[in-house]
Amino acid sequence: NAGVTQTPKFRVLKTGQSMTLLCAQDMNHEYMYWYRQDPGMGLRLIHYSVGEGTTAKGEVPDGYNVSRLKKQNFLLGLESAAPSQTSVYFCASRLLGGGSNQPQHFGDGTRLSIL
Amino acid sequence: EDQVTQSPEALRLQEGESSSLNCSYTVSGLRGLFWYRQDPGKGPEFLFTLYSAGEEKEKERLKATLTKKESFLHITAPKPEDSATYLCAVLLPQKLVFGQGTRLTINP
Repeated sequence: NAGVTQTPKFRVLKTGQSMTLLCAQDMNHEYMYWYRQDPGMGLRLIHYSVGEGTTAKGEVPDGYNVSRLKKQNFLLGLESAAPSQTSVYFCASRLLGGGSNQPQHFGDGTRLSIL
Repeated sequence: EDQVTQSPEALRLQEGESSSLNCSYTVSGLRGLFWYRQDPGKGPEFLFTLYSAGEEKEKERLKATLTKKESFLHITAPKPEDSATYLCAVLLPQKLVFGQGTRLTINP
């Protein structure tokens, strides 16, 4: 019962470094999402994908890029990390069928610190 | 602007002491409302979906209700293992808007 798996779980970067966060789901879900969670704030959507090869911007997309080359994987990239990107990043996925009221299923997060 | 507010921010209860968590919203085009549970160091875990005012859903010691302006998560006779952060999220036509969560602690 893997569900949604995120790697790595923890990472510390220096300002200006780049990295890629990986999300993999084994539920054959069409939709995938990247969120960030900061203290005292709700989850905020960074980017999302409605299917292989397609991506779209969410609420806070600046400084991030994404790719969905395979249906089961959704990658989040930071090209030049900034301290403001210190956060916990969550990936989620959901089914297309049944409408938008299908619940999203989340991974356990990547804790990222930018020094 | 679409807004979702959860209250209280934190709540401490004794084991067996029932209470309610609130999720209020000012949004346009509500299509549904989700409740999630989040344990420390983990991702949110889906609990309930509510679609229309008057609807109720139950799971063990939890019951979620929905009105036109807010949702309540009632917890009856809670146990220490119910300690977690509870998140609500409002489903709108083009997005899902999360509240900031209520951190619930149940003391034995």
